[in-house]
Amino acid sequence: DSGVTQTPKHLITATGQRVTLRCSPRSGDLSVYWYQQSLDQGLQFLIHYYNGEERAKGNILERFSAQQFPDLHSELNLSSLELGDSALYFCASSAGGQGPYEQYFGPGTRLTVT
Amino acid sequence: GDSVTQMEGPVTLSEEAFLTINCTYTATGYPSLFWYVQYPGEGLQLLLKATKADDKGSNKGFEATYRKETTSFHLEKGSVQVSDSAVYFCALINTGTASKLTFGTGTRLQVTL
Repeated sequence: DSGVTQTPKHLITATGQRVTLRCSPRSGDLSVYWYQQSLDQGLQFLIHYYNGEERAKGNILERFSAQQFPDLHSELNLSSLELGDSALYFCASSAGGQGPYEQYFGPGTRLTVT
Repeated sequence: GDSVTQMEGPVTLSEEAFLTINCTYTATGYPSLFWYVQYPGEGLQLLLKATKADDKGSNKGFEATYRKETTSFHLEKGSVQVSDSAVYFCALINTGTASKLTFGTGTRLQVTL
């Protein structure tokens, strides 16, 4: 158990809908990262927040957004969903901001868009 | 940009065989290198890491040495077990640009009795 929690574990929704994925980092960690894992793209970095502020963006679509709240939990919002958005979405946390800090991953949310 | 290349899988070995999974990287500056493991239906677990040239990371019988001259970080284990069956990901963090992990495509390991 990494100490990172993600809810829900599974999500099935229809095209065009909007969903919210939630992540709680390990106790004491200030950074939250979101990654997408799909069969064709592999593991891709989406976005990084540190202590409530956006630090870096990766291959995140404009239909996707994220935020980190004062209690340090984070939410990833996916809207106007398409079939191609079906994937595993992982959250990871680390102690610091920029640097080679070890990132600890949650169990993931499996999103299926039908 | 940064990239990580791993040997294609799946790799199938008999129990107690020697394991090598090759990993090479391309990055500017001095990245830190990691191996993560993903068991079926689970998230990624950090297996080991190395932060500078010639460092050796080790955990649970697995080892990898950071070789700057060959830009490699090959994963090895002397005697694999059935419980080692999983997907292994090599990854890097380039602290010169950002703190995101850049992953290889993963190598599936299947260990049989």
